[in-house]
Amino acid sequence: DQQVKQNSPSLSVQEGRISILNCDYTNSMFDYFLWYKKYPAEGPTFLISISSIKDKNEDGRFTVFLNKSAKHLSLHIVPSQPGDSAVYFCAASANDGNKLVFGAGTILRVKS
Amino acid sequence: EPEVTQTPSHQVTQMGQEVILRCVPISNHLYFYWYRQILGQKVEFLVSFYNNEISEKSEIFDDQFSAERPDGSNFTLKIRSTKLEDSAMYFCASRIAGGFNEQFFGPGTRLTVL
Repeated sequence: DQQVKQNSPSLSVQEGRISILNCDYTNSMFDYFLWYKKYPAEGPTFLISISSIKDKNEDGRFTVFLNKSAKHLSLHIVPSQPGDSAVYFCAASANDGNKLVFGAGTILRVKS
Repeated sequence: EPEVTQTPSHQVTQMGQEVILRCVPISNHLYFYWYRQILGQKVEFLVSFYNNEISEKSEIFDDQFSAERPDGSNFTLKIRSTKLEDSAMYFCASRIAGGFNEQFFGPGTRLTVL
């Protein structure tokens, strides 16, 4: 099941610079997209979301962009901080429901 | 800030034994979920629960699994006869309402089947 793909297993960024995490999806029924952050031995923590009626949503240092025609979304973190180092998961859901379909995750390392 | 809690944090069991994983969702949330993550793999949906009944379940959620809301606060996942391949992190999540609302996850229960 590869409906949500995060093709970069890891990303390393210098503190203060921009981090860009990417996610692609194949199911055109997806209409709600979320990013979660996860530390080892903890549950996923919600970061930011976007519905398919928008192409951008911003919350502080975090911005999510959605390109429906390309079935692609990205998470921008500006400026990146060492505390942002974690695994970032992209997730999607369809038709007002229920289940989230997750990508494999991208490990972000922010170097100070 | 309200949060989802899960107990136990770690459960070790013998193959073939029954386990019950417990969750307390955020109090005013109406939708409840179980997910699991096998080591090195994706987070996978197991089951969703609304209005005191299962609303959707995955192919993984076969007859050995059950989910219940036995009272007004707890949400449980029972695995009747555990297998080695059930070893995973199990996450509970809850959501306040339908539509475009995020799910909030608990810290997880690590299940180890020997």
